[in-house]
Amino acid sequence: GDSVTQMEGPVTLSEEAFLTINCTYTATGYPSLFWYVQYPGEGLQLLLKATKADDKGSNKGFEATYRKETTSFHLEKGSVQVSDSAVYFCALSVRSNAGGTSYGKLTFGQGTILTVHP
Amino acid sequence: GAGVSQSPSNKVTEKGKDVELRCDPISGHTALYWYRQSLGQGLEFLIYFQGNSAPDKSGLPSDRFSAERTGGSVSTLTIQRTQQEDSAVYLCASSLVWRSSYNEQFFGPGTRLTVL
Repeated sequence: GDSVTQMEGPVTLSEEAFLTINCTYTATGYPSLFWYVQYPGEGLQLLLKATKADDKGSNKGFEATYRKETTSFHLEKGSVQVSDSAVYFCALSVRSNAGGTSYGKLTFGQGTILTVHP
Repeated sequence: GAGVSQSPSNKVTEKGKDVELRCDPISGHTALYWYRQSLGQGLEFLIYFQGNSAPDKSGLPSDRFSAERTGGSVSTLTIQRTQQEDSAVYLCASSLVWRSSYNEQFFGPGTRLTVL
């Protein structure tokens, strides 16, 4: 079946530190990959996405590259801020073929709690 | 425009009681999804709707769980004879289309269910 594995947390960093959150996946079809973020007291929000191999998703200074050869989609940010403190989820949804349509449902990793201190 | 809304935001119930959780998707969104977020299991897919039909119910954990959607809009998730392991945050999401190479799902704030 489809699955997503994230690095174990929590992760605690000082402001302006470099962030990496590892994410690897297994998928039966052609996955689209996502990072979702959940800020304290708020709902899940899409942070970035990549729909095919070698695509790079980016938003708010965060980046992730879809690496088919290593089945990975690691999240990175060069300089974190206190406001980045949140829970980050890696997720995938699978298409049945390369040009096909999505089943829609998201399979999530366990989530990584990030705390950034001033 | 309003986002996805869910009610109630919190629900405390006694073991064995039935509960109904409501989701109002973004207007015009034809696809609707239910997920469950719990400490032990993380974020799990439960069911999704395209219009009023549910092509995939594979994530419903038992026959005590059911969901319906009416008018292609509001959805209700019903849990009968609640058990303590049903305690979780139930999330609803909606998207514009279902069959697409990419369909961003917009999530509601969730309903926190506590079964005593």
